Amino acid sequence: EVQLLESGGGLVQAGGSLRLSCVLSGFISRNYVFNWVRQAPGKGLEWVAHVSDSGDTTSYADSVKGRFTISRDHSRDTVYLQMDSLGPEDTATYFCAKGRGSGRWSSFGHWGQGTLVTVSS
Amino acid sequence: SYVLTQSPSVSVGPGQAARILCGGDNIGSKSVHWYQKKPGQAPVQVVYDDSDRPSGIPERFSGSNSGDTATLTISRVEAGDEADYYCQVWDRSSDHWVFGGGTTLTVL
Repeated sequence: EVQLLESGGGLVQAGGSLRLSCVLSGFISRNYVFNWVRQAPGKGLEWVAHVSDSGDTTSYADSVKGRFTISRDHSRDTVYLQMDSLGPEDTATYFCAKGRGSGRWSSFGHWGQGTLVTVSS
Repeated sequence: SYVLTQSPSVSVGPGQAARILCGGDNIGSKSVHWYQKKPGQAPVQVVYDDSDRPSGIPERFSGSNSGDTATLTISRVEAGDEADYYCQVWDRSSDHWVFGGGTTLTVL
């Protein structure tokens, strides 16, 4: 069974940092791309970041570029999101999403349950 | 950047068909994906590549895409279909994924 388990969320002050983790199981993770998506309270889904199957290529939404870093560790079957210079606008539930394949254009076939990040001002 | 437009809400009676629209400039040239999101739950993909259904998704869910509008159709709507539905595309020019603003489906 495909499983994605996020952790690392919590309460942080503005200007602080958090690192989210997404542990993968039930499939060969190195064959797939991954993304982080967030949903602020009462708002819609917002794509945040993408990492390629190899981990060599990344891309970011304009709202987080330069502050967030996505990475993956094949040996640990884990995808990370390092979040720096956090602001109240980053308050959201963050979801890890698995691509349907290895292409950049692969849609999000499986999602984790999410982890809540709250940034106080 | 590429913009996807969805109506905020759709209401239908049980057993009727619901059509959720997603507008975008020449969206028919892109692959459109649809997600169902219920409060407190993870999003679930219900349609990918315009009209394909992931395993486990009922045949009642179908999609189409042409011109400037993509459509998610849910036939024989059930109370359990109440949720927010989001369309999504990959914008090659910006290398960004884009979501529509979401449509809330209410079953009367």
